[in-house]
Amino acid sequence: EIVLTQSPGTLSLSPGNRATLSCRASQSVSSSYLAWYQQKPGQAPTLLIRGASSRATGIPDRFSGSGSGTDFTLTISRLEPEDFAVYYCQQYESSPLTFGQGTKLEIK
Amino acid sequence: EVQLVESGGGLVQPGGSLRLSCAASGFTFSTYWMHWVRQAPGKGLVWVSRINYDASYTTSADSVKGRFTISRDNAKNMVYLQMNSLRAEDTAVYYCARGGSSWSADGYAYWGQGTLVTVSS
Repeated sequence: EIVLTQSPGTLSLSPGNRATLSCRASQSVSSSYLAWYQQKPGQAPTLLIRGASSRATGIPDRFSGSGSGTDFTLTISRLEPEDFAVYYCQQYESSPLTFGQGTKLEIK
Repeated sequence: EVQLVESGGGLVQPGGSLRLSCAASGFTFSTYWMHWVRQAPGKGLVWVSRINYDASYTTSADSVKGRFTISRDNAKNMVYLQMNSLRAEDTAVYYCARGGSSWSADGYAYWGQGTLVTVSS
């Protein structure tokens, strides 16, 4: 099983700041099979990034994904008030599919 | 417009059974993998099970193997999760999600609204 470890657990920033979220895999993940999601309270998750670096349809360009192998990053260039939420990475390369434990991005 | 609508959640006693349904519309259902993902109250996302486009392949998380069964009916655009021998730790919101197509893997661009399953006496 590929274990995904996200850091930090909580990130406290202000609107306008840059956010950098990390996702580390216990074994190499093909970049084609790494996704990032945003989840707000009471809502289903929203796909932000697929294939490690491709923005999903309708996702603003302030969101970007990068990385390869075992280290992946989600960057939000300039935080907007609506970006404060929980973020999850997911690998969909091999079964069992796995998610990271999440990073909560909160307003400082 | 792609839509996924789950139903069938509710309160069930430990050891009981429940069948979740997910009605899909707005896309060619028979060409996509379908998945179930759950989220316990206040916790993170956990993948539960998946089924390929023609139902010839399924796989599930170890925590539900032998208890949960995923199936689909392409004629009705439906995917199901039969849950038996339910435990308190199965309490969660269960989401139906669309996976990749028959020709490429993908993340979950579409999710249902979720259905709450509560296992308690």
